[in-house]
Amino acid sequence: QVLLQESGPGLVKPSETLSLTCSVSGVCFGSCISRYYWTWIRQPPGKELEWIGYVYYPDSTTYNPSLKGRVTMSLDTSKDHFSLRLNSVTAADTAMYYCARISDHDENWYFDLWGRGTLVTVSS
Amino acid sequence: DIQMTQSPSSLSASVGDRVTLICRASQTISRSLNWFQQKPGKVPELLIYAAAKLQNGVPSRFSGSGSGTDFTLTITSLQPEDFATYFCQQGYTTPFTFGPGTKVDIK
Repeated sequence: QVLLQESGPGLVKPSETLSLTCSVSGVCFGSCISRYYWTWIRQPPGKELEWIGYVYYPDSTTYNPSLKGRVTMSLDTSKDHFSLRLNSVTAADTAMYYCARISDHDENWYFDLWGRGTLVTVSS
Repeated sequence: DIQMTQSPSSLSASVGDRVTLICRASQTISRSLNWFQQKPGKVPELLIYAAAKLQNGVPSRFSGSGSGTDFTLTITSLQPEDFATYFCQQGYTTPFTFGPGTKVDIK
């Protein structure tokens, strides 16, 4: 069973960079992290889910244009983890951040495995 | 971006009821529609993918249907553990987008 676990600071100051890592563990045939698309999703308190972007081995990325170029995602196969960096954060970036795995079926992309989430608060 | 809407925004129901939740996309998305259940303070869980495919381990009282722009999630006999918020998500094109959710609570 593949498991995902987010880690990173729970408090970030305005204008600074939010950095999170998602560790992928479990049993796969071959390397888990090189076989799937991996994604970040966030949910501000009491609000809707927002897709942030995805990363695919070795370094293919697609981001949500709503984040206006502030996002960078990367994979580290040697450590079996992938990362999110969001710069120039404001209070609007306060949210629960989830990492997840993307699977696809008949050109439908869906999030079938999620981490437990980590709350990031932007405040001075 | 494809906008997802859901109705109703909330509903009250009793154990054993049949409930139907609606999700609409602002443009056609074929059958690229997924449903998630989220309980307070918990991680969203995938129930249905590709409009009608039941995710492994999800009870058969959940079913999905629809194509194009209109989709439904039906729970045939509501159980106590089903009181939660349900989100739809289009998996047709990036940016992937979610609906605002339908909260199902106890009447």
